[in-house]
Amino acid sequence: GESVGLHLPTLSVQEGDNSIINCAYSNSASDYFIWYKQESGKGPQFIIDIRSNMDKRQGQRVTVLLNKTVKHLSLQIAATQPGDSAVYFCAENSRDTGRRALTFGSGTRLQVQP
Amino acid sequence: GAGVSQTPSNKVTEKGKYVELRCDPISGHTALYWYRQSLGQGPEFLIYFQGTGAADDSGLPNDRFFAVRPEGSVSTLKIQRTERGDSAVYLCASSPGLAMTQDTQYFGPGTRLTVL
Repeated sequence: GESVGLHLPTLSVQEGDNSIINCAYSNSASDYFIWYKQESGKGPQFIIDIRSNMDKRQGQRVTVLLNKTVKHLSLQIAATQPGDSAVYFCAENSRDTGRRALTFGSGTRLQVQP
Repeated sequence: GAGVSQTPSNKVTEKGKYVELRCDPISGHTALYWYRQSLGQGPEFLIYFQGTGAADDSGLPNDRFFAVRPEGSVSTLKIQRTERGDSAVYLCASSPGLAMTQDTQYFGPGTRLTVL
């Protein structure tokens, strides 16, 4: 679900398990999607991106899945580590509008239990 | 190479005062962005520069906010007559500025502004 104020959705996983973080977007014209990781007191850190002509993209220990039919994006983290604990944001924009501004979701907090 | 840097890291000011926040983008990046992030929220877009010009300032909340990038590198976000509601983390990002495509925005650590 969406967060309100300080009450971010939280996903708690055990170290070594796989994590799946979900994001719903509303703009059907969005065609570029990015996942960022933000640790406390730091700026967002780029993890992985995907364009709308793809439905899956893999990086190191991370996979992003895009389902344009239901306007849903997910980030899968394999073998989650304590260092993965952070707030994760999805962001989007639309090439058609010519705008470069990213629209961010409200974030999900990932807590990795050792 | 160095990432995006922002100064100061923290700024405390009084209501009604003027503040300037500075951003040094990644060397060679022609695109620069300012976002604002309130506690528990995702960043919200303020303004985007391509080179020296503001290509999109649609996110600036009102005319108390202004940003410049006179030489196409360092940018300064200026806030006049600060209000308590301006308290937030101000994030700067830069990207290579490739034409006709979205290119990855890399963020700095932010400036935490507190208006008392």
